[in-house]
Amino acid sequence: AQSVTQLDSHVSVSEGTPVLLRCNYSSSYSPSLFWYVQHPNKGLQLLLKYTSAATLVKGINGFEAEFKKSETSFHLTKPSAHMSDAAEYFCVVMDSSYKLIFGSGTRLLVRP
Amino acid sequence: SQTIHQWPATLVQPVGSPLSLECTVEGTSNPNLYWYRQAAGRGLQLLFYSVGIGQISSEVPQNLSASRPQDRQFILSSKKLLLSDSGFYLCAWSVYSQETQYFGPGTRLLVL
Repeated sequence: AQSVTQLDSHVSVSEGTPVLLRCNYSSSYSPSLFWYVQHPNKGLQLLLKYTSAATLVKGINGFEAEFKKSETSFHLTKPSAHMSDAAEYFCVVMDSSYKLIFGSGTRLLVRP
Repeated sequence: SQTIHQWPATLVQPVGSPLSLECTVEGTSNPNLYWYRQAAGRGLQLLFYSVGIGQISSEVPQNLSASRPQDRQFILSSKKLLLSDSGFYLCAWSVYSQETQYFGPGTRLLVL
């Protein structure tokens, strides 16, 4: 069965410094993977998705993620954090029935 | 472009009262529709999905039900709310099952 683990429940960075949100997945095949962002009391917004094309995926707002099959990872990065990036981030894998399996989320805090 | 609406945005209901949450999608035809619940500090749990009018699949046994009376309308209901029904309810749509899901703004339900 597919699963996804977000390794950090909270990440705190200073504005202007790099962001790294870690995600590992478990799948018996090459999965579709997603990162969504949720601002407080809002719905989820798609940041980016991987669907077996290029392993480095560029998303919105300067975020990108790299699919590493050997490490079963799909970490989310951004070179320079902005205050508006403060939110909760979900790593998601699509299972063989096309259902989304969500990680438990990582809350990103950006310090001024 | 496609848009997804949910209402109400916030709802406070007493235990034992009925519930009706509505989700509508504009700008697409015959979408797949989904209801998720997000409990406080948790990831998302799929409750129901629908691939067409009158076609509802339930993912978890619970106090809730779903209906799809029109192509782009998805309703989440309960006859008698429980305290455990409190949470953030998100509706989502996709073109096909294997395609990206796009989420609505959510409804926050508090059962007292």
